[in-house]
Amino acid sequence: NAGVMQNPRHLVRRRGQEARLRCSPMKGHSHVYWYRQLPEEGLKFMVYLQKENIIDESGMPKERFSAEFPKEGPSILRIQQVVRGDSAAYFCASSPWTGLGGELFFGEGSRLTVL
Amino acid sequence: GIQVEQSPPDLILQEGANSTLRCNFSDSVNNLQWFHQNPWGQLINLFYIPSGTKQNGRLSATTVATERYSLLYISSSQTTDSGVYFCAVGTGANNLFFGTGTRLTVIP
Repeated sequence: NAGVMQNPRHLVRRRGQEARLRCSPMKGHSHVYWYRQLPEEGLKFMVYLQKENIIDESGMPKERFSAEFPKEGPSILRIQQVVRGDSAAYFCASSPWTGLGGELFFGEGSRLTVL
Repeated sequence: GIQVEQSPPDLILQEGANSTLRCNFSDSVNNLQWFHQNPWGQLINLFYIPSGTKQNGRLSATTVATERYSLLYISSSQTTDSGVYFCAVGTGANNLFFGTGTRLTVIP
């Protein structure tokens, strides 16, 4: 059973460009979470999605960031007009159920560098 | 949101030594996970342990939910144990709140 798959593993963008990060959850998992890790810090929650629905986006910056999890295909985290402060590792996690306390499984992360 | 504090922030061990990492949290939780982030940045699940005790090889963990803390024990440490250990807790919704981590360095 493959784990959570994220791509690209590394992405370099110039200021003002767009970054798209993809996440395929583990087989059988219908809940996806995105986290951001700045250098030398812990992970910070960004957004929680189920298929075709955003459940909780309380950690998402109000501008330039968006996320989706379509009926078919991977979840996408999109960052428009990137700035140097967006440089970070972005981790995706998936979970199989909505029950309180379900275990989350993380991908290997996508590392965004903004020049 | 819930506060998660980990101690010590940094730890240096001689290979073969044992260690205990602590995680304190400020509210009742229904999810607690320990992770190891290796030097390549990969985040590895160690334990899912909202309560009780679990063991996996040289690692074990105990969570005392009523007293709001969890402990991660590493025995006979190896250089491959180096990295950052994160405790993360969840309350209600499924997202996790991460501590700032304990950076472990095991020297030969």
